[in-house]
Amino acid sequence: SYVLTQPPSVSVAPGKAARITCGGNNIGSKSIHWYQQKAGQAPVLVIYFDSDRPSEIPERFSGSKSGDTATLTISRVEVGDEADYYCQLWDRSSDHRVFGGGTKLTVL
Amino acid sequence: QLHLQESGPGLVKASETLSLTCTVSGGSISSSSYQWGWIRQPPGKGLEWIGTVSSRGRTYYNPSLKSRVTISVDMSKDQFSLRLTSLTAADTAVYFCASEAIFEGSNWFDPWGQGILVTVSS
Repeated sequence: SYVLTQPPSVSVAPGKAARITCGGNNIGSKSIHWYQQKAGQAPVLVIYFDSDRPSEIPERFSGSKSGDTATLTISRVEVGDEADYYCQLWDRSSDHRVFGGGTKLTVL
Repeated sequence: QLHLQESGPGLVKASETLSLTCTVSGGSISSSSYQWGWIRQPPGKGLEWIGTVSSRGRTYYNPSLKSRVTISVDMSKDQFSLRLTSLTAADTAVYFCASEAIFEGSNWFDPWGQGILVTVSS
């Protein structure tokens, strides 16, 4: 089955940019979606279709993809961005939905 | 704007069957633009897709759970349900229901219900 690989943790100082990666085989041919999950809450969609942003999500959140890696970038990080972030895709060959293992973002 | 709410027992016994329901409001569960999914999260761990049902009742399951899972939809009540059999402690988790948008060959989950903690006791 398809596997998405994320770093377990990323740390960043307030005001700096955080980059969270998501790797997978031939990811370039698939659409990646990103979710933010704050402690004790349900996940919230922050990026879909690799780089599209729901209207309620701040412009500081952006997505990109290069080769076999997708990246979620959070510019000018705030303390309130501290959360777990998950990437997700639909594996067309199996019709399965796959989540990455998640990355804990710590704002120092 | 869609709103989803899970309901069901918070405590079930090992070897028994879990039944959860998700009630959809703010939109119709019969919409062809959406499918309906269940995702779970064991304490302190990541998200695991359980399965998805279309408004027509077509189902897609995680292969690791497929033998124990049934997801169904009740359009008359704007609800969809999860049934998970032969429970063990490893099934202890927060269970989320979510709307799955379908667009141009990809699917994503938005919005999600608040989640319900299910504990499997021995």
